[in-house]
Amino acid sequence: DGGITQSPKYLFRKEGQNVTLSCEQNLNHDAMYWYRQDPGQGLRLIYYSQIVNDFQKGDIAEGYSVSREKKESFPLTVTSAQKNPTAFYLCASSIGGVPGANVLTFGAGSRLTVL
Amino acid sequence: QQQVKQSPQSLIVQKGGISIINCAYENTAFDYFPWYQQFPGKGPALLIAIRPDVSEKKEGRFTISFNKSAKQFSLHIMDSQPGDSATYFCAASSGNTGKLIFGQGTTLQVKP
Repeated sequence: DGGITQSPKYLFRKEGQNVTLSCEQNLNHDAMYWYRQDPGQGLRLIYYSQIVNDFQKGDIAEGYSVSREKKESFPLTVTSAQKNPTAFYLCASSIGGVPGANVLTFGAGSRLTVL
Repeated sequence: QQQVKQSPQSLIVQKGGISIINCAYENTAFDYFPWYQQFPGKGPALLIAIRPDVSEKKEGRFTISFNKSAKQFSLHIMDSQPGDSATYFCAASSGNTGKLIFGQGTTLQVKP
């Protein structure tokens, strides 16, 4: 079945540690996204990538980094510079650049808790 | 100007009733308005979407009403069922970038 796989589902981190969240898709989508979800704030865009080896900052990129070395993969690193990293992180993908590109398919999410 | 404002934050409806969630936007360049449904512990899934060239779109029990002049759109769930209990997000975007601006979300509870 085609879809998006995020791992791990739950992650605990000590303050000062970097952590990397994995996102893999087998939908053959060109574009991939990372959103952060906090209660009462909806989903906010962290980073997005329209093609391999290229990515752009979203609205809340500070303290995060990404890479896009393969079409299928778009890992997100939450660095120690992120002041409030406890949140639910959602990865999404879309066809990209054509009509229908704004239909996003989401993964099941990764919940990060900083201890 | 990039915000999408959603209300109410939470909603309780009796089974068989109508659930109504409202969203408002400022950016007139937005040309795509989807609604996503999210169950606890899951990622959001596209429910229904509309473009500004029509005022209403219906899919089964779900209807989007769109008012371009007021820059508002709403989701109506007819004959609400307990299985509809979830969080609903409105969103908006322009062009074909896939960059969605989401509302704050509405938690719907449908009581049996």
